[in-house]
Amino acid sequence: EPEVTQTPSHQVTQMGQEVILRCVPISNHLYFYWYRQILGQKVEFLVSFYNNEISEKSEIFDDQFSVERPDGSNFTLKIRSTKLEDSAMYFCASKWGSNTGELFFGEGSRLTVL
Amino acid sequence: QQQVKQSPQSLIVQKGGISIINCAYENTAFDYFPWYQQFPGKGPALLIAIRPDVSEKKEGRFTISFNKSAKQFSLHIMDSQPGDSATYFCAASTPGNMLTFGGGTRLMVKP
Repeated sequence: EPEVTQTPSHQVTQMGQEVILRCVPISNHLYFYWYRQILGQKVEFLVSFYNNEISEKSEIFDDQFSVERPDGSNFTLKIRSTKLEDSAMYFCASKWGSNTGELFFGEGSRLTVL
Repeated sequence: QQQVKQSPQSLIVQKGGISIINCAYENTAFDYFPWYQQFPGKGPALLIAIRPDVSEKKEGRFTISFNKSAKQFSLHIMDSQPGDSATYFCAASTPGNMLTFGGGTRLMVKP
């Protein structure tokens, strides 16, 4: 069964450092997302990406965050200067079509900022 | 208006019992209502979903009941099993837009 894969599974970083989280969406999917989940809390939308540009972003997704699809397969989330409150599980997700419902999630990348 | 409110936050059910989780929403433009199941250390996985043109959808032991006028929907898990122990999230979206998740319900099914 096709799946969304994410690396690294866990990253520990110092406050102020840059972090890049990587995702390989399902190959024929066209819509890509990043969500985050602070421990024990709900899943929160960060950003959606289609046709090589951001289609929607939440207020969480400020100037410290950026996304990129550098090579047609990977989809990355960069946090420029990490803060303690960025510690969370970051989930990449993808789906085939705009109105086709099923969103497939990866297993997540746990980010710990010290 | 984008909020989805989920209750209860946690639920303990005996094996074989019925688990019921409820969600309410405000945005009448929502047209897709999925339920996701999440095991510890894993990403959310789609369990079952409904669109507002039907009032109920059943897949195996899992049923979504949808009340458009009350702007509420619920997940029923019949014959609950210990393997169903997980966190369940309801969600909603408007056409072509991102999912808004509820706060989650941690379900424990006791053997």
